[in-house]
Amino acid sequence: GAVVSQHPSRVICKSGTSVKIECRSLDFQATTMFWYRQFPKKSLMLMATSNEGSKATYEQGVEKDKFLINHASLTLSTLTVTSAHPEDSSFYICSASTGTSGRQETQYFGPGTRLLVL
Amino acid sequence: AQKITQTQPGMFVQEKEAVTLDCTYDTSDQSYGLFWYKQPSSGEMIFLIYQGSYDEQNATEGRYSLNFQKARKSANLVISASQLGDSAMYFCAMRGTGGFKTIFGAGTRLFVKA
Repeated sequence: GAVVSQHPSRVICKSGTSVKIECRSLDFQATTMFWYRQFPKKSLMLMATSNEGSKATYEQGVEKDKFLINHASLTLSTLTVTSAHPEDSSFYICSASTGTSGRQETQYFGPGTRLLVL
Repeated sequence: AQKITQTQPGMFVQEKEAVTLDCTYDTSDQSYGLFWYKQPSSGEMIFLIYQGSYDEQNATEGRYSLNFQKARKSANLVISASQLGDSAMYFCAMRGTGGFKTIFGAGTRLFVKA
């Protein structure tokens, strides 16, 4: 089956620093990648949708300048949390899609990245 | 607007018994897909089962089956012969025809008792 990796799996950083999270589709080309955020014991909240070679589409309420998303290739998308603050601490999950609508097999989730901002 | 509702924050089931996790949805799309995911404490999202809106038969995957009632807009997950390893968070999700983005319900935490 298709595999999506995320790096790092967990990161601790100081307030004010920037953190980059990578999402890679290892054995398929992902035309679309999604970034989710999950607070403890809560559901996944879609942050943004990124298509290769174009600007990301952010969900309402998500700060574009705070969460920079780059989808430079068909196998890599990055999420950069700029000037991180403790309230940015969360579990970030990416998923990758081949772009065909409807079926499960077109969206694959990464293992997630736990971010803790001190 | 699309919406997924899971009304059971937590459920208990005895090992080897069956359990039903409820999910209702709302959408104006004619074509959509419904999913169930399992999230253990490690955080990974594990795909369990998929049901297309035009699929006439209820989906089944091993011990998982999806009780799809389109008119009632419900897509309940049935887990048969529960195992201790089934203890986890379960999310119902839906993807419509536009943008391929998937929205998730609030989740149900399942506890399997020995």
